[in-house]
Amino acid sequence: QVQLVQSGSELKKPGASVKVSCKASGYTFTSYAMNWVRQAPGQGLEWMGWINTNTGNPTYAQGFTGRFVFSLDTSVSTAYLQISSLKAEDTAVYYCARDRQPGDSVDTAGYWGQGTLVTVSS
Amino acid sequence: DIQMTQSPSSLSASVGDRVTITCQASQDISNYLNWYQQKPGKAPKLLIYDASNLETGVPSRFSGSGSGTDFTFTISSLQPEDIATYYCQQYDNLPLFGQGTRLEIK
Repeated sequence: QVQLVQSGSELKKPGASVKVSCKASGYTFTSYAMNWVRQAPGQGLEWMGWINTNTGNPTYAQGFTGRFVFSLDTSVSTAYLQISSLKAEDTAVYYCARDRQPGDSVDTAGYWGQGTLVTVSS
Repeated sequence: DIQMTQSPSSLSASVGDRVTITCQASQDISNYLNWYQQKPGKAPKLLIYDASNLETGVPSRFSGSGSGTDFTFTISSLQPEDIATYYCQQYDNLPLFGQGTRLEIK
């Protein structure tokens, strides 16, 4: 069965960096796009962007350029989200979510990781 | 850029009620719309894809309709376990979520 298991909660100081992992199992990792979604405390879902797991090419939504980097390690079927120069407003739960259908585009987040809480506080 | 307007932002209904949530796109998005359910403290779950297709394993009391700019999500008979926040999401261009609808039991 498809599983996405994310790394554990992180507490970071402003200005630091964090790297969240999303380990996939139960399917061919490079056949499905991977989305990243942010949810700030008490707020709605924000689509951050996606990474083509076949080519490694990332696409970032507006507001998620510059400090946010999507990457892959296909040898261990894992996607990563790195955030640099952390700010208090980056405090949120970050989800990885696999596209429902195989392919080189993104549309429907069919399977989700459990989420990783990143807290930024001095 | 496409804007999504989801309404209402919250609603209260009784068990057994028919519940309807709407989502309006700022331009024609064909049927490129999904609906998700998120229970407190949990990851979202896909319920409806391509505007009207029920995801495998999702109860048939959930349904979706619409195309173009206007879409509707319906729960035909509200159950206590349906308490959650519901989101629409378009993918005509890059994906974008609606603001969410918090559903409570009256």
